[in-house]
Amino acid sequence: GAVVSQHPSRVICKSGTSVKIECRSLDFQATTMFWYRQFPKQSLMLMATSNEGSKATYEQGVEKDKFLINHASLTLSTLTVTSAHPEDSSFYICSATSRGPREHTEAFFGQGTRLTVV
Amino acid sequence: AQRVTQPEKLLSVFKGAPVELKCNYSYSGSPELFWYVQYSRQRLQLLLRHISRESIKGFTADLNKGETSFHLKKPFAQEEDSAMYYCALRNTGFQKLVFGTGTRLLVSP
Repeated sequence: GAVVSQHPSRVICKSGTSVKIECRSLDFQATTMFWYRQFPKQSLMLMATSNEGSKATYEQGVEKDKFLINHASLTLSTLTVTSAHPEDSSFYICSATSRGPREHTEAFFGQGTRLTVV
Repeated sequence: AQRVTQPEKLLSVFKGAPVELKCNYSYSGSPELFWYVQYSRQRLQLLLRHISRESIKGFTADLNKGETSFHLKKPFAQEEDSAMYYCALRNTGFQKLVFGTGTRLLVSP
């Protein structure tokens, strides 16, 4: 299957600073990328959907100014957590769908990024 | 609203026993249903989807529109099946996935 790579896999930052997480599709062009947040022992909660070259669509309750998403190319999307606070500590996962001939496109997931804000 | 319910947080069985991981959904249209699996220290990956009607690693799942269910079944569980399983729904024509809360399957020797 296709590969989606997230970087970094773990990051610790100080409260008030910003953190950028990268999500790359390594061997396919991703028309759409998704950002999820996963709390311990809970499900994946979709934060936003981003399409290359356009503004991200945020889910209800997700602060756009806090979680900045950029999808500048067909292989890269970034999530920036601005002015991070301890409550932003979580596991962030991205996924990407490919532009392919199949009607039903598969979503490929990154390995996730563990963010800890101290 | 779209919703996926997985009532069991943990399912523990012995090797060789049958397994059924339950998934119910609520959606007014024609959804696409998926099962994703996450093995220890690995990323989430697609196990199977209802439109393919395939068996992967011995697992099958049938979409029951009357009962709005998409239960995952395997007749004989193996230790390597131990993992976290997520049922997911996607609105036909869209790409957003809605996940259930997941069921941890533990297969003991």
